[in-house]
Amino acid sequence: NAGVTQTPKFRVLKTGQSMTLLCAQDMNHEYMYWYRQDPGMGLRLIHYSVGEGTTAKGEVPDGYNVSRLKKQNFLLGLESAAPSQTSVYFCASSYPPSGFGPQHFGDGTRLSIL
Amino acid sequence: LAKTTQPISMDSYEGQEVNITCSHNNIATNDYITWYQQFPSQGPRFIIQGYKTKVTNEVASLFIPADRKSSTLSLPRVSLSDTAVYYCLVGDGGGLTGGGNKLTFGTGTQLKVEL
Repeated sequence: NAGVTQTPKFRVLKTGQSMTLLCAQDMNHEYMYWYRQDPGMGLRLIHYSVGEGTTAKGEVPDGYNVSRLKKQNFLLGLESAAPSQTSVYFCASSYPPSGFGPQHFGDGTRLSIL
Repeated sequence: LAKTTQPISMDSYEGQEVNITCSHNNIATNDYITWYQQFPSQGPRFIIQGYKTKVTNEVASLFIPADRKSSTLSLPRVSLSDTAVYYCLVGDGGGLTGGGNKLTFGTGTQLKVEL
């Protein structure tokens, strides 16, 4: 099993461009998450999903949109990229049989916006 | 929002036991406490999770006092390969309706293990 796969691994954008980050998991997990990690800030939750067709805002959702059309995929979109969105983006998934299950993370997408 | 506080950094030597404490004064009844390890250029990796008292697995122990306002990750006999950032996470994963507590990662503790 591949676990959690993020595409692309690196990307450079110009201010105002749009793009979509793809996260795919093959563990049949219900929950999926998008985080961003900036130096000295730890990981901050952008959006999350508790199942196919449902999404919810996290701590820092502004400037991002998400979709969960299929259970195994969770897409993160930047409609109009800004330099402040330069960061490392991590996707994660979890299956909570009860309460809160441990998250499985991808290896990240490094995004630079000029 | 259950904010967490951890020491920014810790130093240790190979073979020693390392204890990293996380404070989470506003922890909610439904919240679990989870610890992750992160190496450079990689995503965080799950270490251990608990709700109360003590949990032990093959790599670590987690101690949680009765009031659950803090937790301590214990790494027995660390090695150079344990040099990493350790994160304490408090949350309930969103809940069935999607309206549960938000997941809050602390800023992490940089553990450096030397010979």
